[in-house]
Amino acid sequence: DTAVSQTPKYLVTQMGNDKSIKCEQNLGHDTMYWYKQDSKKFLKIMFSYNNKELIINETVPNRFSPKSPDKAHLNLHINSLELGDSAVYFCASRRGYEENTIYFGEGSWLTVV
Amino acid sequence: SQQGEEDPQALSIQEGENATMNCSYKTSINNLQWYRQNSGRGLVHLILIRSNEREKHSGRLRVTLDTSKKSSSLLITASRAADTASYFCATVWINTDKLIFGTGTRLQVFP
Repeated sequence: DTAVSQTPKYLVTQMGNDKSIKCEQNLGHDTMYWYKQDSKKFLKIMFSYNNKELIINETVPNRFSPKSPDKAHLNLHINSLELGDSAVYFCASRRGYEENTIYFGEGSWLTVV
Repeated sequence: SQQGEEDPQALSIQEGENATMNCSYKTSINNLQWYRQNSGRGLVHLILIRSNEREKHSGRLRVTLDTSKKSSSLLITASRAADTASYFCATVWINTDKLIFGTGTRLQVFP
């Protein structure tokens, strides 16, 4: 049973399109994240949600809009995709402030052509 | 940049040798963690060391932390080919929920 699952795993799309990546965790965690890993393997935090509320928004373009319908889900919607959005997007979760281990999904490979 | 830095960027060793990776960070932290990423996969948590700890062990892993130098090291002893992966340090900043990753070290262990 996958703890943090993301879909789709691979996504190839044209510039200007709008796409979504979905994430679900079955760990009962309160906090969920989106991270972006670029071609140089740099991992950068994008967003953090705690109990469906936005906690961290790291100067990400407003074309990126996270949505958390409940605390087990954190979806990422991207409008007007650009070539520079090509990356691997990782969803992650952790129980709460006192539990430090973060559990990552397997990643979603986004390629914008 | 908020990001910590790791060195070396890449490390190639033979099975049985020890591998040491270093991490430097920029601000006061609650704890520092090490993660492993196999090619094409997500990150897996390896070990956590708190800011008031200096050394921690877990199996073949040994982590040290020097808060005065804002640095940490990860030592993998008696490496195996299966240890081939990228290793990232990550820091949790004081009074925040942010987990900030270093730039990573790519480790290649040859059989």
